[in-house]
Amino acid sequence: DQQVKQNSPSLSVQEGRISILNCDYTNSMFDYFLWYKKYPAEGPTFLISISSIKDKNEDGRFTVFLNKSAKHLSLHIVPSQPGDSAVYFCAASAATDSWGKLQFGAGTQVVVTP
Amino acid sequence: NAGVTQTPKFRVLKTGQSMTLLCAQDMNHEYMYWYRQDPGMGLRLIHYSVGEGTTAKGEVPDGYNVSRLKKQNFLLGLESAAPSQTSVYFCATDGTSSGNTIYFGEGSWLTVV
Repeated sequence: DQQVKQNSPSLSVQEGRISILNCDYTNSMFDYFLWYKKYPAEGPTFLISISSIKDKNEDGRFTVFLNKSAKHLSLHIVPSQPGDSAVYFCAASAATDSWGKLQFGAGTQVVVTP
Repeated sequence: NAGVTQTPKFRVLKTGQSMTLLCAQDMNHEYMYWYRQDPGMGLRLIHYSVGEGTTAKGEVPDGYNVSRLKKQNFLLGLESAAPSQTSVYFCATDGTSSGNTIYFGEGSWLTVV
């Protein structure tokens, strides 16, 4: 049973607009959340993370919001650029896993159109 | 993805054949992982290692074996390949186990017919 879910397999957005990617989790022990970006034929690369003690983390055009009560996080990309077209994975880990084991969602394919 | 190299990148196997995927890293990281990625499933952890000479099972270890004889190398073996092992395999390394310093290789596409 997947503990991290990304229910939207794909998202199309116009260049310059906001992209909002959603992620839900079921394990209340998760306390650290990450987003990875993946281009075709490449491995995922780290994008941004958030600890459960925060509800928002911002890095340039990327902002991650965490709603612990709803077990939901989202990634906002503003403004969206053509280079943002990629698959985005949400991942989560629990401090009780001493080595930081990650659970990944299935990914959301983002396409930014001109 | 500099620093994490996977070989081979593509391979077609017949059911029952064996093979080994090699992951090599030059970042002196302690933690190394093997994941598989399947459509609609995200990345799932097969096996991992927290240091030279150590290995442990992840979420989907059945049908795979691993070895970490040298710190820089993490081998994933399929003793008797099955069609269900058709997947894209990613090796990853991490210097801190936090996840935000994890580096993935470019992936190995394996097809079992």
